[in-house]
Amino acid sequence: DAGVIQSPRHEVTEMGQEVTLRCKPISGHNSLFWYRQTMMRGLELLIYFNNNVPIDDSGMPEDRFSAKMPNASFSTLKIQPSEPRDSAVYFCASGRQNNQPQHFGDGTRLSIL
Amino acid sequence: EDQVTQSPEALRLQEGESSSLNCSYTVSGLRGLFWYRQDPGKGPEFLFTLYSAGEEKEKERLKATLTKKESFLHITAPKPEDSATYLCAVGGSNDYKLSFGAGTTVTVRA
Repeated sequence: DAGVIQSPRHEVTEMGQEVTLRCKPISGHNSLFWYRQTMMRGLELLIYFNNNVPIDDSGMPEDRFSAKMPNASFSTLKIQPSEPRDSAVYFCASGRQNNQPQHFGDGTRLSIL
Repeated sequence: EDQVTQSPEALRLQEGESSSLNCSYTVSGLRGLFWYRQDPGKGPEFLFTLYSAGEEKEKERLKATLTKKESFLHITAPKPEDSATYLCAVGGSNDYKLSFGAGTTVTVRA
């Protein structure tokens, strides 16, 4: 079975540029999560979608961050404009029900110069 | 607020030297406790879910146990391929969120 697929795997860009990260969840999963992982703060939940609807975006750090899920098989996380402090690994995860595990993609390593 | 503390931060083992990782948690109504393994450059890989105190799960050389306050991940006769960071996460009964610990990085030397 295909797991969660994220693209790109690596992104290096200059401060001020727009960055778009992409995620394809596991087919049949109705929950989708975007996380950010850093050495200092570990894994932080940014936003949660259920049945393509954003339920909780309280973890989104600023208005520069936005996320969409236009259908059950695709989601994007956008940063505009990007800043060096946004450098981190961004993970997408999907799951079925609340007591079921979340399954993670291999992440996008983002470096903002 | 749910909290998860993992110890030790790092663990260096000789191949075959069994040991245990600890995950202490506080949560308002446990929906599930989840163990993940994370290799460098990869996303967390799901290992186990534990739902209630007294429950145990096993997979190859790994065994996870759960009490009302903590979970242990026992590694029996580890091999170098068991080297990874092991993450613990808890979900409370009130919502969908998982609270992750900082992880224990295990290095197994041949």
